[in-house]
Amino acid sequence: DVKVTQSSRYLVKRTGEKVFLECVQDMDHENMFWYRQDPGLGLRLIYFSYDVKMKEKGDIPEGYSVSREKKERFSLILESASTNQTSMYLCASSLGGEGTQRDTEAFFGQGTRLTVV
Amino acid sequence: QKEVEQNSGPLSVPEGAIASLNCTYSDRGSQSFFWYRQYSGKSPELIMSIYSNGDKEDGRFTAQLNKASQYVSLLIRDSQPSDSATYLCAVKGSGGYQKVTFGTGTKLQVIP
Repeated sequence: DVKVTQSSRYLVKRTGEKVFLECVQDMDHENMFWYRQDPGLGLRLIYFSYDVKMKEKGDIPEGYSVSREKKERFSLILESASTNQTSMYLCASSLGGEGTQRDTEAFFGQGTRLTVV
Repeated sequence: QKEVEQNSGPLSVPEGAIASLNCTYSDRGSQSFFWYRQYSGKSPELIMSIYSNGDKEDGRFTAQLNKASQYVSLLIRDSQPSDSATYLCAVKGSGGYQKVTFGTGTKLQVIP
């Protein structure tokens, strides 16, 4: 089974702090994603990465950055946390590559509920 | 127009009935379609994927895809209270990278 592990289940941070959310997958997947999920807005893509050191902005990248130095690890960084970044953050990975239909089946971590006060 | 649209529900069905969940999408070139189940407080879990027109069955679940109508559905037969969850439709569009867009989900309640 694919395992995607997020470093924290719950986090409480203060406004202005720099926040790191870590995600590790153990299935050698090419693609990794960070989403946030808010009531009524669903899952929104923040950033994704299709290879080490490669990243693409998603739909809501403002206020966030990412780092992927190793294939199995994808970090989300909140440079200066704000209260409107209080949310559930979900990391996901998918096989990636080309030529297979299953390349975009995504597997999610358990989520990190971040509260910024 | 949202890229992936779902009725938010809640959809209430009695135990043992068929639950029908629907999803429409805007990108006519979309290639891959997924249904995820999300229990309250948990992360989404992939339950079905479908790539070509028609029906795909897996146990009590059937996914249906109609690309001409840009419509994908999920049928749950013999619904159980344990099926009560939010069901997310997800679509891989025709873009050059492997981005998947999620609908906001339909909340299903199965009444014992």
